[in-house]
Amino acid sequence: GESVGLHLPTLSVQEGDNSIINCAYSNSASDYFIWYKQESGKGPQFIIDIRSNMDKRQGQRVTVLLNKTVKHLSLQIAATQPGDSAVYFCAEIPSGGYNKLIFGAGTRLAVHP
Amino acid sequence: DTEVTQTPKHLVMGMTNKKSLKCEQHMGHRAMYWYKQKAKKPPELMFVYSYEKLSINESVPSRFSPECPNSSLLNLHLHALQPEDSALYLCASSHALAGDNEQFFGPGTRLTVL
Repeated sequence: GESVGLHLPTLSVQEGDNSIINCAYSNSASDYFIWYKQESGKGPQFIIDIRSNMDKRQGQRVTVLLNKTVKHLSLQIAATQPGDSAVYFCAEIPSGGYNKLIFGAGTRLAVHP
Repeated sequence: DTEVTQTPKHLVMGMTNKKSLKCEQHMGHRAMYWYKQKAKKPPELMFVYSYEKLSINESVPSRFSPECPNSSLLNLHLHALQPEDSALYLCASSHALAGDNEQFFGPGTRLTVL
């Protein structure tokens, strides 16, 4: 996906609530998807991945859902904590793509006490 | 050691300067990457090295010159940059170049071109 605009979309949640961050990907031939978390002053950090032959994958407090029909990916964070505040990027790797990450636009998650 | 290190953390340079960014990993990874990230934007791939050979150049201007002197080191040589080249430059590495190898990112070098 291509990023547009000057401002990142922001999701504001209360501490303890569940968060859902959405992403639309661009390439129907992509067969591997990853969610990254980027905190201020740091590089992106791997959170969870999913292959195109799956529609759901769970990690610790995080779940990724994949809907290939509408090319949509979501990240669910349970019991959101202040330490979850960051920018979240989805990324896709097209098949045969030499591990070439294509990042989505990103969403800022702000967790309020 | 499971991290990618980058130096310097910050760099300010004039348009006539020559400088280099450095990246190092000791995880035995054989694929290394350079990304450019503008403010409030996602990272964009610039170069990919596999086994010390350049595999991908995403049509990056020649004022950016990558170098992979050995399997642990990746450099980005900068010359005659423009102010619009100011950005966060991220290095990453992965075990191999296959499409499902997790990429580990360094903290980046924040470059300002005056």
